[in-house]
Amino acid sequence: KAGVTQTPRYLIKTRGQQVTLSCSPISGHRSVSWYQQTPGQGLQFLFEYFSETQRNKGNFPGRFSGRQFSNSRSEMNVSTLELGDSALYLCASSLAWGTQETQYFGPGTRLLVL
Amino acid sequence: AQSVTQLGSHVSVSEGALVLLRCNYSSSVPPYLFWYVQYPNQGLQLLLKYTSAATLVKGINGFEAEFKKSETSFHLTKPSAHMSDAAEYFCAVSDQGGKLIFGQGTELSVKP
Repeated sequence: KAGVTQTPRYLIKTRGQQVTLSCSPISGHRSVSWYQQTPGQGLQFLFEYFSETQRNKGNFPGRFSGRQFSNSRSEMNVSTLELGDSALYLCASSLAWGTQETQYFGPGTRLLVL
Repeated sequence: AQSVTQLGSHVSVSEGALVLLRCNYSSSVPPYLFWYVQYPNQGLQLLLKYTSAATLVKGINGFEAEFKKSETSFHLTKPSAHMSDAAEYFCAVSDQGGKLIFGQGTELSVKP
């Protein structure tokens, strides 16, 4: 079974631009979560989607948004990019939504904002 | 609120030596705990998961972790380190709705 895939793998943008990242979960998984990883802040939860609905949201500004499609694929969007948005963005999928679920991670999208 | 603390941002061991990576958690409810490993330029790979079925959890690549409620700990061990174990290791606790709260990570170096 194929794992979680994320596209693109690398991205360079300039301040003020916007970016859209894509995540395809493991086949049959219906929940997708997004995390930001930076050297200073570590791994931080952005949001989680299940059945096309956002179920949980982390403490990020409104510039960070996401959505999930009927086939469980998910996208996250960051508008008005700032230098501090440079990070590795990780997507994880799980079968369902809940505390007991195991999340499986993709390889990540590395975003560099200049 | 749930939280995780990993003691030691960097651990160095010799090949063949015992690996011990420390993790302490804070949780108001019985926790679901995880260990993940991250190799350079890659995502996170699940090593093992604690679900209350057994206090000693065996994972992949020879790793195991023991849940100790009295110490609120979930330390990761491997009897004999291999060069390929060099990576960053993250302990995490599952919060409401499945949100993972991670520790700051421990970078493991293995010396030949």
